[in-house]
Amino acid sequence: GNSVTQMEGPVTLSEEAFLTINCTYTATGYPSLFWYVQYPGEGLQLLLKATKADDKGSNKGFEATYRKETTSFHLEKGSVQVSDSAVYFCALSVIGYSTLTFGKGTMLLVSP
Amino acid sequence: NAGVTQTPKFQVLKTGQSMTLQCAQDMNHEYMSWYRQDPGMGLRLIHYSVGAGITDQGEVPNGYNVSRSTTEDFPLRLLSAAPSQTSVYFCASSYSRDNEQFFGPGTRLTVL
Repeated sequence: GNSVTQMEGPVTLSEEAFLTINCTYTATGYPSLFWYVQYPGEGLQLLLKATKADDKGSNKGFEATYRKETTSFHLEKGSVQVSDSAVYFCALSVIGYSTLTFGKGTMLLVSP
Repeated sequence: NAGVTQTPKFQVLKTGQSMTLQCAQDMNHEYMSWYRQDPGMGLRLIHYSVGAGITDQGEVPNGYNVSRSTTEDFPLRLLSAAPSQTSVYFCASSYSRDNEQFFGPGTRLTVL
């Protein structure tokens, strides 16, 4: 089956620190990969995506590269801000399957 | 565009009561789905629909019913509420099952 594994949180950082949130996956087929972000009290929104190997998704200073050889899609940001405090979900979709498969989410807390 | 809207935002039920969570989208998306979010569990798919008149079960369908009479609306019915259904419920829609999903703001349900 399909599954996504994310590092457990919370991840606690100071403002301007470097962020990495690890995500690995297993998939029966050739997946598209996504990072969603959930700010407090809100629904999820797409942060970035990549649809084929070696693609790099980027948005709002966040980046993730689709690594087929290591089945990974790690999220990175060079300098986090307090406003980046949220829960981040890694997800995949495979053609022919019903929906997205989500990881359990990683909470990021950024302090001034 | 209002996107995906959900009502109510908060609801408290007693065990055994029934209710309907409303979801509507104005993007003419064929694919709609319901998830529940519980601490440490990520998002779990309850039911989904690939178009008007077509629904199917997800990972955790027991205790919930859905119907899709129009493209816009996808209500979720709790038949006889149980404390185990205390959760945050998210509705999502997308152009197709493999595309980016757009999420509603969620309904926080407490069953006493």
